[in-house]
Amino acid sequence: EGQLMNSGGGWARPGGSLRLSCAAYGFRFSGYWMSWVRQAPGKGPEWVANIKEDGSDKYYADSVKGRFTISKDNARNSLYLQMNSLRLDDTGIYYCARDAAGFDLWGQGSLVTVS
Amino acid sequence: EIVMTQSPVTLSVSPGESATLTCRASQSVSTNVVWYQQKPGQPPRLLIHDASIRATGIPARFSGSGSGTEFTLTISILQSEDFAIYYCQQYHNWKTFGGGTRVDVK
Repeated sequence: EGQLMNSGGGWARPGGSLRLSCAAYGFRFSGYWMSWVRQAPGKGPEWVANIKEDGSDKYYADSVKGRFTISKDNARNSLYLQMNSLRLDDTGIYYCARDAAGFDLWGQGSLVTVS
Repeated sequence: EIVMTQSPVTLSVSPGESATLTCRASQSVSTNVVWYQQKPGQPPRLLIHDASIRATGIPARFSGSGSGTEFTLTISILQSEDFAIYYCQQYHNWKTFGGGTRVDVK
């Protein structure tokens, strides 16, 4: 069935940087697109970025384009999100998610606070 | 960007009754719609994909329908564990979520 474990996150000042990681277990990580999805306090989810199975294609929401970078290490079964030039409205819980027909497997989330 | 609009915002239902949630897309998304359930402190859980196909392990009381711009999630015979927030999401053109419907106890 599989499991995703988020790590990283924390607090940053506006303009600062943070890096999120996500470790995958129990499924063939190299065979899936993967995404980052965030959720601001009291709001609905927002898709942030995704990456193709082999890492060759990457797509970003307009709200993070040019500031965030998604990457995937299939040898380490890990997904990453480098977040630069952070803004106040980047605050929220960041989830890694397996990207199939919808997001069918989610990590527990990492809290990012920009203040 | 395709905008997904959910209604109602809040639905008050008694246990044992049924609930019907609606999601409208700002343009046709074919059947590229999924539904999630989210409880406090948890990530969303996939219920329905491709508008009407239940995800693995999802009880039969959850059903989805629709195509184009109008979609419905029906929960028949609500159980206590079904009181939660429900989101629709399209993946026809990028990925956008609706604002959610909170199902609470009447």
